[in-house]
Amino acid sequence: EAGVTQFPSHSVIEKGQTVTLRCDPISGHDNLYWYRRVMGKEIKFLLHFVKESKQDESGMPNNRFLAERTGGTYSTLKVQPAELEDSGVYFCASTGWTGEAFFGQGTRLTVV
Amino acid sequence: SQQGEEDPQALSIQEGENATMNCSYKTSINNLQWYRQNSGRGLVHLILIRSNEREKHSGRLRVTLDTSKKSSSLLITASRAADTASYFCATRLSMDSSYKLIFGSGTRLLVRP
Repeated sequence: EAGVTQFPSHSVIEKGQTVTLRCDPISGHDNLYWYRRVMGKEIKFLLHFVKESKQDESGMPNNRFLAERTGGTYSTLKVQPAELEDSGVYFCASTGWTGEAFFGQGTRLTVV
Repeated sequence: SQQGEEDPQALSIQEGENATMNCSYKTSINNLQWYRQNSGRGLVHLILIRSNEREKHSGRLRVTLDTSKKSSSLLITASRAADTASYFCATRLSMDSSYKLIFGSGTRLLVRP
């Protein structure tokens, strides 16, 4: 069974540009979460989807971040326009009925 | 304020020794989980302990939970060089319908061969 996959694995963009991160959860997992780890700091929750609906987006830092999960399958996280402080590793996780969270490998975003 | 905080921030031990990492949290939890992150890779789930449990074992891992002190510890016995990684505790809050995980900043473990 395929795990959670994220694309791209790395992205380097200039300040002011737009970047879109993608997450494919484990098939059949209704819950999808986005997290972010800024260099050396804790892993912070961004938002939670149940199927295509946003259950909790209390962790989204500002309106430059837009997450979608059309059709309740894969999810995208768009940062527009990107700022230097957006650099970090963005993780996606999905959970099924057991509640155990399966994480992707993360996308390392560098804004220069 | 930070829900989960690990202690120590960094730990260096010799292969074969035991490694102990601690985690403290602030609010009532449903469960507490430990994850490992190898450099440049994703988070790997190690073990989950529920709020009504006090101790769990999985291979060389032993986790304890003291809800009265709001703390947990992860013990890795007979460490190996391959155990070198960052270890995070994460809590699932009792009153959070989102069931999101709240992570700490992690402990960096270095196991010297």
